[in-house]
Amino acid sequence: NAGVMQNPRHLVRRRGQEARLRCSPMKGHSHVYWYRQLPEEGLKFMVYLQKENIIDESGMPKERFSAEFPKEGPSILRIQQVVRGDSAAYFCASSPGGPDSPLHFGNGTRLTVT
Amino acid sequence: ELKVEQNPLFLSMQEEKNYTIYCNYSTTSDRLYWYRQDPGKSLESLFVLLSNGAVKQEGRLMASLDTKARLSTLHITAAVHDLSATYFCAVDPRLQGKLIFGTGTLLAVQP
Repeated sequence: NAGVMQNPRHLVRRRGQEARLRCSPMKGHSHVYWYRQLPEEGLKFMVYLQKENIIDESGMPKERFSAEFPKEGPSILRIQQVVRGDSAAYFCASSPGGPDSPLHFGNGTRLTVT
Repeated sequence: ELKVEQNPLFLSMQEEKNYTIYCNYSTTSDRLYWYRQDPGKSLESLFVLLSNGAVKQEGRLMASLDTKARLSTLHITAAVHDLSATYFCAVDPRLQGKLIFGTGTLLAVQP
């Protein structure tokens, strides 16, 4: 059973470009979470999605950031007009749902904005 | 604001000695998680503590939870080099998978 798959592993963008980060959850998992880790810090929750629905986006910056989890295909975290402060590791996690289900994390996408 | 604090932030350990990491949190939570992260890698789930008084052990690591004190400890017995990593605790107050992570504790085992 493949784990949570994220791609790309590393992404370099110039300021003002768009970044698209992809996440395929574990098989059978319908809950997806995105977290961001700034250098030397812990992970911060960004958004929680189920298929075709955003459940909680309280951790998402109000502008430039969006997320989706379509009926078919991976979840996408999209950052428009990237700035240097967006440089971070972005982790996706999935779970089958339920209060006792631990999250399974992907290997992350390391975004560098030059 | 919900806070999860770990201490120490950095721990230089000698092999074969015992150490403890503390995780304090500021809100009610019946779920506490411990994760390990190696440099440049993802998070590996170590323990899920589901109730007050829960204690779990795996190898040289043992985690416990006191929900009344809002405190969890991760105890390391006879440290070895392959335990060098950053350890995070996290709580999930609303049981939705919206984890609030601690600041992390960087462990370095010295030979």
